[in-house]
Amino acid sequence: AQKITQTQPGMFVQEKEAVTLDCTYDTSDPSYGLFWYKQPSSGEMIFLIYQGSYDQQNATEGRYSLNFQKARKSANLVISASQLGDSAMYFCAMRAPYNNNDMRFGAGTRLTVKP
Amino acid sequence: EAGVAQSPRYKIIEKRQSVAFWCNPISGHATLYWYQQILGQGPKLLIQFQNNGVVDDSQLPKDRFSAERLKGVDSTLKIQPAKLEDSAVYLCASSLGGTGIYEQYFGPGTRLTVT
Repeated sequence: AQKITQTQPGMFVQEKEAVTLDCTYDTSDPSYGLFWYKQPSSGEMIFLIYQGSYDQQNATEGRYSLNFQKARKSANLVISASQLGDSAMYFCAMRAPYNNNDMRFGAGTRLTVKP
Repeated sequence: EAGVAQSPRYKIIEKRQSVAFWCNPISGHATLYWYQQILGQGPKLLIQFQNNGVVDDSQLPKDRFSAERLKGVDSTLKIQPAKLEDSAVYLCASSLGGTGIYEQYFGPGTRLTVT
């Protein structure tokens, strides 16, 4: 069975600093994808970044990077140069083709950026 | 490119009443998902369609929830009769179909309050 764990219910970061949001996962599938989504207070889920299980390099998208440690089964999101608009809920998710391609989400981390 | 559309955005009903939600996915996306997101939790998959066929409805409470995707495009999710615990945001998402691992694009959601 697939499982996603986010152990940080809430995080605070000072504006312009970097922050790491933790995510660990568990799956027996050899092929899977890891995703991070941002959910502002308005409620929409915004796709941020994707990492495939066979990707050799860590994914990066602008100020977002994914610290993928396959042996540890972790896929932490790093946000550099935090902005006030980064304040939101962040969800880690995983999909595995052999498991109906279901997207399983973690419980989320609420990030607050302080001015 | 237009995103995933959902309506209504908000709905308040009394318990035991019926309600229906509508979703129009991104054009060309074969796979459509309905999620339930209870306050403070990550989204939980209710049902997944591939074109107009059901791929996974294992977490759909079939005694009261039903969903259809006629013609493989728009979809409706119905709750009949509603319970207090159905109060949640109902998110629709779509992705490219097939066996690849694709990101999902979410609609703005429908916030349901059952009183």
